[in-house]
Amino acid sequence: AQSVTQLDSQVPVFEEAPVELRCNYSSSVSVYLFWYVQYPNQGLQLLLKYLSGSTLVKGINGFEAEFNKSQTSFHLRKPSVHISDTAEYFCAVSDSHKLVFGAGTILRVKS
Amino acid sequence: ETGVTQSPTHLIKTRGQQVTLRCSSQSGHNTVSWYQQALGQGPQFIFQYYREEENGRGNFPPRFSGLQFPNYSSELNVNALELDDSALYLCASSLSGTAKDEQFFGPGTRLTVL
Repeated sequence: AQSVTQLDSQVPVFEEAPVELRCNYSSSVSVYLFWYVQYPNQGLQLLLKYLSGSTLVKGINGFEAEFNKSQTSFHLRKPSVHISDTAEYFCAVSDSHKLVFGAGTILRVKS
Repeated sequence: ETGVTQSPTHLIKTRGQQVTLRCSSQSGHNTVSWYQQALGQGPQFIFQYYREEENGRGNFPPRFSGLQFPNYSSELNVNALELDDSALYLCASSLSGTAKDEQFFGPGTRLTVL
């Protein structure tokens, strides 16, 4: 069975600084990977996904992620964060028809 | 295009009771998945319905059951509620039940069991 590890439970960062949220997955076979964002008291919104092709994936709100098969990682990055990026971020891997999520990383952007 | 909707938004029940949560899928989607998100954790897969048939189940006991209707809306039923069932229940719809499909999530139902 697939599993996902998000290495940081919380990441504090100042506004306009760069940020990286780390994600490692368990499988070495073909995978489909996703990053979702959850704002307080809301459902999940897809930021980006990797299905195949280019290992650098661009998503909404200026986020991007890099698929690294040898390191089984799919880290999320943003070059300059805003206060409005404060939220919880979930990395997920597709296991057959279901999504397997990590425990989440809370991004706190400070002014 | 209407997104995924869930009702109710909040619910308080007592231990031993039964609860039904409802989900309307996004227009054109025939697959609905349910997830449980306990406080401070990532969502956990409960089960998926594809064209009214169960299409996979996670590690949840039989007292968690579901239905999908001809219009592809869905219900999640939980019997004999336990305190640990307190969580945010998320419904997600997708075009089909394949691994590549994006799943579109609703806002969730917050269930509190006292």
